Amino acid sequence: EAQVTQNPRYLITVTGKKLTVTCSQNMNHEYMSWYRQDPGLGLRQIYYSMNVEVTDKGDVPEGYKVSRKEKRNFPLILESPSPNQTSLYFCASSALAGYGNQPQHFGDGTRLSIL
Amino acid sequence: KQEVTQIPAALSVPEGENLVLNCSFTDSAIYNLQWFRQDPGKGLTSLLLIQSSQREQTSGRLNASLDKSSGRSTLYIAASQPGDSATYLCAVPDNYGQNFVFGPGTRLSVLP
Repeated sequence: EAQVTQNPRYLITVTGKKLTVTCSQNMNHEYMSWYRQDPGLGLRQIYYSMNVEVTDKGDVPEGYKVSRKEKRNFPLILESPSPNQTSLYFCASSALAGYGNQPQHFGDGTRLSIL
Repeated sequence: KQEVTQIPAALSVPEGENLVLNCSFTDSAIYNLQWFRQDPGKGLTSLLLIQSSQREQTSGRLNASLDKSSGRSTLYIAASQPGDSATYLCAVPDNYGQNFVFGPGTRLSVLP
């Protein structure tokens, strides 16, 4: 089954404790992306990747890091999480990077709470 | 910078009605526009993608149209059902086709 898998689905942690949210897709997609969703602000793009070893900032990259060492994986790293990063996070992937010509497939989301 | 708005913010209709959801974008130089559905506590499911060269796309009871020159897209849902209840979002890529901007969504409730 074609899917985007995020882990963990839920996480409660404390300020300053480094964490990683993993994302994996099994569709051989070139393009992968991370979004956060907040009430009143909607979905905003954090980082995206056009292919292995190619990443770029979205609209709200501050406080986040990503890496794309393998095509299927695109982890989101919070080196020193803060309460304003409490949010619902989504990973997405699509084929034919460049112009978003193919529909994006989304994971089920990670609900992150930073105390 | 691209901005995307959606009207209405929320909509409640009785089962069986045909309805229209609206999406507007400020920069008409888009490559495509995508409509998504989001159920509570879930991820987004792609419904329809319209390329910039197309005027509409259809999937079952759903029809999406695109008017680039006026910066508008509409999602038409025919014969609505309670199972259609969800939040519907539209999204467009930026000028380089890589950074996606989402609308705030329309929350739809279809009452049995």
